[in-house]
Amino acid sequence: AQSVAQPEDQVNVAEGNPLTVKCTYSVSGNPYLFWYVQYPNRGLQFLLKYITGDNLVKGSYGFEAEFNKSQTSFHLKKPSALVSDSALYFCAVRDIRGAGAGKSTFGDGTTLTVKP
Amino acid sequence: SQTIHQWPATLVQPVGSPLSLECTVEGTSNPNLYWYRQAAGRGLQLLFYSVGIGQISSEVPQNLSASRPQDRQFILSSKKLLLSDSGFYLCAWRAAASYEQYFGPGTRLTVT
Repeated sequence: AQSVAQPEDQVNVAEGNPLTVKCTYSVSGNPYLFWYVQYPNRGLQFLLKYITGDNLVKGSYGFEAEFNKSQTSFHLKKPSALVSDSALYFCAVRDIRGAGAGKSTFGDGTTLTVKP
Repeated sequence: SQTIHQWPATLVQPVGSPLSLECTVEGTSNPNLYWYRQAAGRGLQLLFYSVGIGQISSEVPQNLSASRPQDRQFILSSKKLLLSDSGFYLCAWRAAASYEQYFGPGTRLTVT
């Protein structure tokens, strides 16, 4: 079975400060990991993914995420937050083999609020 | 480039009425297709996925069904809606050789 946890329902940061949105995962094999962003009443938008290789992956809008296999984490980061980054963020995992192959499991989401 | 469409954008239906939500993808062939439901703006629940025409996998036994009559068309249906079917329904696609999913704009369903 595969699962993902986003331990924080809400993250608040001031504009210009660094932000981190946390994600931990559980899979029986090796993971594919993803971050998506959702603005109100819209579909999800893909931000970035980890498949293999460098543990630090860079994505859209200046976001990056670090894959940590020993801690089974994939935290989303940005060096300097913008008010426009305020949205709902989802972490997702997919096991590259086994019954979960092809299907992603999403976390419950973290609401990021960036205050001016 | 690829585009995914969903309609309608919003829908208000009485309990016991039928449902049909449609999703189409343009600019790709043989995509994997997915239906999700999102309740109260939080986590996504995978309802159905399809790897090809006529091939549907159901993730959660419930009041809904899905069909894929054409390669790039995915339909979510119900014969009789329940109050608990209210939610935000999202269609997504993934290229078979790719990893990430791309989502449609969603349909807001309210069952009254």
